[in-house]
Amino acid sequence: GAGVSQSPRYKVAKRGQDVALRCDPISGHVSLFWYQQALGQGPEFLTYFQNEAQLDKSGLPSDRFFAERPEGSVSTLKIQRTQQEDSAVYLCASSWGRSNEKLFFGSGTQLSVL
Amino acid sequence: GESVGLHLPTLSVQEGDNSIINCAYSNSASDYFIWYKQESGKGPQFIIDIRSNMDKRQGQRVTVLLNKTVKHLSLQIAATQPGDSAVYFCAEIKAAGNKLTFGGGTRVLVKP
Repeated sequence: GAGVSQSPRYKVAKRGQDVALRCDPISGHVSLFWYQQALGQGPEFLTYFQNEAQLDKSGLPSDRFFAERPEGSVSTLKIQRTQQEDSAVYLCASSWGRSNEKLFFGSGTQLSVL
Repeated sequence: GESVGLHLPTLSVQEGDNSIINCAYSNSASDYFIWYKQESGKGPQFIIDIRSNMDKRQGQRVTVLLNKTVKHLSLQIAATQPGDSAVYFCAEIKAAGNKLTFGGGTRVLVKP
């Protein structure tokens, strides 16, 4: 497709379960970002990739969160041993260049941890 | 789907009127500012941007104003339409930084 694609659209997990969220950026986009958006809040930065290199993971809330982009295109955000406070919308965004100007966002994955 | 912004400040505006959305930023080192529109169930969508060496920029029906003295950003929407109903976020990037930081959002409701 022409835009950033995320799957699944919705994910319900039991507390303690591991989840994996997928992001397909726009073809050819160098930069890829993950954001977390709690209800009623603006998106919060999690991590940033330039091609396959993870250059900034300072926003990941704990070591239960892990992201990868092994071939510089598709990215996966993994959350281990999910907790209720992990419930949020996880947004992926990509851009042509090596910056986060003119980001294109996906529709997000809404994660609910019960 | 779940709606973004259930507890956000809300601006109600009559269709056809102009809308003004305000945002205060705290980081004087920020040099690039962006306004995003987020509709329910979707990701943020770029509207307009402005660099810190400018104080005004116009797009199609939208104008962004930047007042660096008081660290204030505003978005003006002319002739507001029902399709403008959404949550609007301002965002900033620090000089030489690579992290886009979002501010609190404002929900705009357009009344027919």
